[in-house]
Amino acid sequence: KAGVTQTPRYLIKTRGQQVTLSCSPISGHRSVSWYQQTPGQGLQFLFEYFSETQRNKGNFPGRFSGRQFSNSRSEMNVSTLELGDSALYLCASSARQGARQETQYFGPGTRLLVL
Amino acid sequence: QKEVEQDPGPLSVPEGAIVSLNCTYSNSAFQYFMWYRQYSRKGPELLMYTYSSGNKEDGRFTAQVDKSSKYISLFIRDSQPSDSATYLCAMSAQSGYSTLTFGKGTMLLVSP
Repeated sequence: KAGVTQTPRYLIKTRGQQVTLSCSPISGHRSVSWYQQTPGQGLQFLFEYFSETQRNKGNFPGRFSGRQFSNSRSEMNVSTLELGDSALYLCASSARQGARQETQYFGPGTRLLVL
Repeated sequence: QKEVEQDPGPLSVPEGAIVSLNCTYSNSAFQYFMWYRQYSRKGPELLMYTYSSGNKEDGRFTAQVDKSSKYISLFIRDSQPSDSATYLCAMSAQSGYSTLTFGKGTMLLVSP
C-alpha cells in the first residue's frame, strides 16, 4: 500500500506571495491532518480534515487554510507569506477522525522557504 | 515554561551503547505518551505508545513514563548507526492525535 505523498517536496517563495501544498493520504484513509515543523517551535498541529470538513484547528492565523476533496486528497494554503512561515509542512493521514495516535501516518513533508 | 521540554542534542554515542532520551512536561493532564523517530528528509514515524505511567518494551526500545515527576524516557539498547535520527516525544490529555503536543526533538548520532 502506498504511503502518504506530498507535493511539491521543496518550494521557494517570496514574502507576500501565497502557496498551496498538496497531500494524498493512504488509500482508504479519510482523515488528513497538517502540521508545521520548525527548529524554534517544533512540530505544531495546524488542522484536521475529515469527509471534506475541518474538524479541528490549531492555534494559527487565518492566513493558513485548507480543504479536502471528495477523494480525501487535501490541500493547504498559506496566503501573504511571511519569513516565519519557512518550515517543513507535514501531512498525516488516518482512517478515522480523531483516531488514536498510533494509527496516524506521516508523509515526507514539503519544505517551504520564504525569502 | 514550555509544555514539553526536550534537549535538542546532538547526542553522540558509539555503536552498541545504551541511549537514554528524555522529555519533561508541565501539564499534569497528559495521559498519552508517544515517541516518534524522524530520519532526515522524512516524516515522523511512531515508535512507542504508552498510556499513563509505567514501562513498555518493544525489541531494543523501552519507553518509561513517570507521571509523578512529569518525566518520560526512551531507552535504546545495543544502538545501531541506523538509529541515527531525531527522536520526538509527544503527549496528549485525550485520545486523538489532533491534540498532540510535541517536544522539539533530540538528534541522535550513533557512530560505527
